[in-house]
Amino acid sequence: EPEVTQTPSHQVTQMGQEVILRCVPISNHLYFYWYRQILGQKVEFLVSFYNNEISEKSEIFDDQFSVERPDGSNFTLKIRSTKLEDSAMYFCARRQGSSGNTIYFGEGSWLTVV
Amino acid sequence: GDSVTQMEGPVTLSEEAFLTINCTYTATGYPSLFWYVQYPGEGLQLLLKATKADDKGSNKGFEATYRKETTSFHLEKGSVQVSDSAVYFCALSGSYSGAGSYQLTFGKGTKLSVIP
Repeated sequence: EPEVTQTPSHQVTQMGQEVILRCVPISNHLYFYWYRQILGQKVEFLVSFYNNEISEKSEIFDDQFSVERPDGSNFTLKIRSTKLEDSAMYFCARRQGSSGNTIYFGEGSWLTVV
Repeated sequence: GDSVTQMEGPVTLSEEAFLTINCTYTATGYPSLFWYVQYPGEGLQLLLKATKADDKGSNKGFEATYRKETTSFHLEKGSVQVSDSAVYFCALSGSYSGAGSYQLTFGKGTKLSVIP
């Protein structure tokens, strides 16, 4: 099955610090997403990214979050000033394009804010 | 807006028992429906999907049928194994709206534990 590689697999950071989570899609797909899952809760949509632009974002995705794909390959999620409630598993995902709407997820990056 | 409701867990079954995890949805248009599975310590994996009414998705012995009349997509397996212990998420992907991106709306997840 097609894969998405995420780094780091786990990061512990102090409150107020900046965090960058990275995603390297192996296949050349067009649509990218970030989702998060707070421990024990449902998976929540954060943002979708297409053609180097944000195409949709949720209420969760406020000004402390940003995404970019600077080198045309890695897709990053930046959290500028982390809060305790940002502790969660963050999933990168991708979709091939207009020919299919199946979204494939990476294995996630655990973020713990202390 | 779109929403997905799953049966509350956790569910504990003995090996070889029959499994049903209920899932109902609310959506406009004609969504696609998915089941994802999350094994302990791992990420989300697509288990099966159905893209239109009456479609049946199947994989690894699991099945789910897209029932538009009852807005349901219940997950079933005839004989569960210990290795099926995981959290199962029902999800839907809304119709493309031009500004939309087929983002997924998830249910809360149902934890399944299968005991020998």
